This record gives sequence, C-alpha cells and structure tokens, in this order.
Amino acid sequence: GNSVTQMEGPVTLSEEAFLTINCTYTATGYPSLFWYVQYPGEGLQLLLKATKADDKGSNKGFEATYRKETTSFHLEKGSVQVSDSAVYFCALRDTGFQKLVFGTGTRLLVSP
Amino acid sequence: NAGVTQTPKFQVLKTGQSMTLQCAQDMNHNSMYWYRQDPGMGLRLIYYSASEGTTDKGEVPNGYNVSRLNKREFSLRLESAAPSQTSVYFCASSEVRTETQYFGPGTRLLVL
Repeated sequence: GNSVTQMEGPVTLSEEAFLTINCTYTATGYPSLFWYVQYPGEGLQLLLKATKADDKGSNKGFEATYRKETTSFHLEKGSVQVSDSAVYFCALRDTGFQKLVFGTGTRLLVSP
Repeated sequence: NAGVTQTPKFQVLKTGQSMTLQCAQDMNHNSMYWYRQDPGMGLRLIYYSASEGTTDKGEVPNGYNVSRLNKREFSLRLESAAPSQTSVYFCASSEVRTETQYFGPGTRLLVL
C-alpha cells in the first residue's frame, strides 16, 4: 500500500541555520504531496503542497520539490527561526481518493 | 469563520465507559475525517465521510463508530473505552477541489 517515510527527529538547530527534513514515499500512480505543520497544542495546518512531478511548493520561506525519480519531497528552509519550532508531517493523497497518508512526523527545535 | 471545532478539549474515561467526540465545520465542506495521533505513529485515519449520508472505515476503525449528522457535523463514538484508545483525536474537513484538509484543535483522551 501507499506509505510515507520521514527522517527521525528531533532535529535541533540554531536560529538562522539551514533546514532539511527528508521525506520519501511509496505509491502507485502520481499522488499529490503535502507538508503539514503542527505547532504546540494545535491541530495540523497545511504548509505547502505539490500536485505533479517537478512542481515546487513554497510558503513562509519553506520549499519542497516533487521528485518522481527519487520518490522524494524533502522540506527545506534557508534560515530557520525560533518560531518554526513545531512538528512537521509529510503526507500523500492517493490519486482519485480523498484520504491522506501521513508520515510519523519530525519534531524541529530551534534555539536562539 | 471558526473553521473546524471539536469538543471536548480533554476527557478522562474509565475502561468500559462510553463517550462521543463532537466535530463541526463551517466551511461548507463535503468531506470530513477522524484521525488519532499517537507518539511515533503519526496520524492514522479512523473513519471518514466523503459526503453527507456516507461513512467509510479508515485504517484503524475497530472500537469506534461515527455519525455524519448533517453536512456540518461528524461525531465519533467510543462505545466501551479501552486504555489502547488513549490518544489525541483530530477531526478534519476538506473540499475535493482543493485537496487541502483543515484540522480542528484536537481532543486529548485518557482512558484509565
């Protein structure tokens, strides 16, 4: 079945450091790919998405590129802030279905 | 717009007790979902409702029932709570066209 694999956390960075959180997927067809973010004590909210190969999703300085050849959707940010501390979830949506399949989440901790 | 609301925020149950988690959305979305979030497991889909009047099982439906009361409301019932159901429960809604799911703030459930 379809699945999403994320790097284990926590990821601990100093403010202004470069961030990469790895995400790879297994799926049939061409699923849409998402990054969701969960701030402490809150529900998940969409950070960015990409719907086809080579698409780049971007929002709030975060970027991720849909790489079909490596089945990856890695999240990057050039300079993280303390306010970026959260749990980040990679997810895919099956073509033709409304259900999302989530990775296990990666906790990011940014210190001043 | 309140978005997706959930009640209660926190609940403690004894093994064998029953309860209903309530969810409502004011975005006129057709689809609604219930997830549970456990450490190291990410989010797992319990049940979903593609449209008013329909419900389907997700990945982990055992021990739960749902009711799509109308387009706005989607409730999750635990008939006989077990300690394994200790978790954080999230409700979400979406519109097929945009693919984005919008999440409520969650209900933290502890079963003793």
